[in-house]
Amino acid sequence: DVKVTQSSRYLVKRTGEKVFLECVQDMDHENMFWYRQDPGLGLRLIYFSYDVKMKEKGDIPEGYSVSREKKERFSLILESASTNQTSMYLCASSPIFGTSGGGETQYFGPGTRLLVL
Amino acid sequence: SQQGEEDPQALSIQEGENATMNCSYKTSINNLQWYRQNSGRGLVHLILIRSNEREKHSGRLRVTLDTSKKSSSLLITASRAADTASYFCATLGQEGKLIFGQGTELSVKP
Repeated sequence: DVKVTQSSRYLVKRTGEKVFLECVQDMDHENMFWYRQDPGLGLRLIYFSYDVKMKEKGDIPEGYSVSREKKERFSLILESASTNQTSMYLCASSPIFGTSGGGETQYFGPGTRLLVL
Repeated sequence: SQQGEEDPQALSIQEGENATMNCSYKTSINNLQWYRQNSGRGLVHLILIRSNEREKHSGRLRVTLDTSKKSSSLLITASRAADTASYFCATLGQEGKLIFGQGTELSVKP
């Protein structure tokens, strides 16, 4: 079974704090993704990575950065948290695109609910 | 930008009835996936249909895909109260990015 774990289920931070959200997968997947989920907006892609030390911006990267020093770990960083970053954050991983004959899918972690006061 | 658009946004039915949810998308896809999410929990992958497939079954789930209309439907037969959840479609584009719709909230009343 694929396991994607996130460091915290719930997190409360203050405006201006630096926040680290950690994600670890145990299936040797090349691809890792960070999403945020907000009511009425669905899931939106923040950043993704196709390999170690590689990162690409998703649809809403502003206010975020990421780090992928090891294949199994993908960190999302909020340099200076703001109240509009209060959200549910979901991490996902997947094998390299194109290796499953069109059957590629992503495996999601349980999510981190972040509240910024 | 959102690619998948679900319809309806909310659906309320009685236990035992069938539930049908629709999804439309805009660009060419590699596959289309349906996910389920219980309130406050993570996403669970339900079923995947490839772009060269037209219909797929898995237990009480039936998915259809019409690439000419850029649409898909998810049918849950003989619904149960435990099926109450939000259901999302997600499209995998040629570049490998997964894009989600906003979801359909299904409520199954006992």
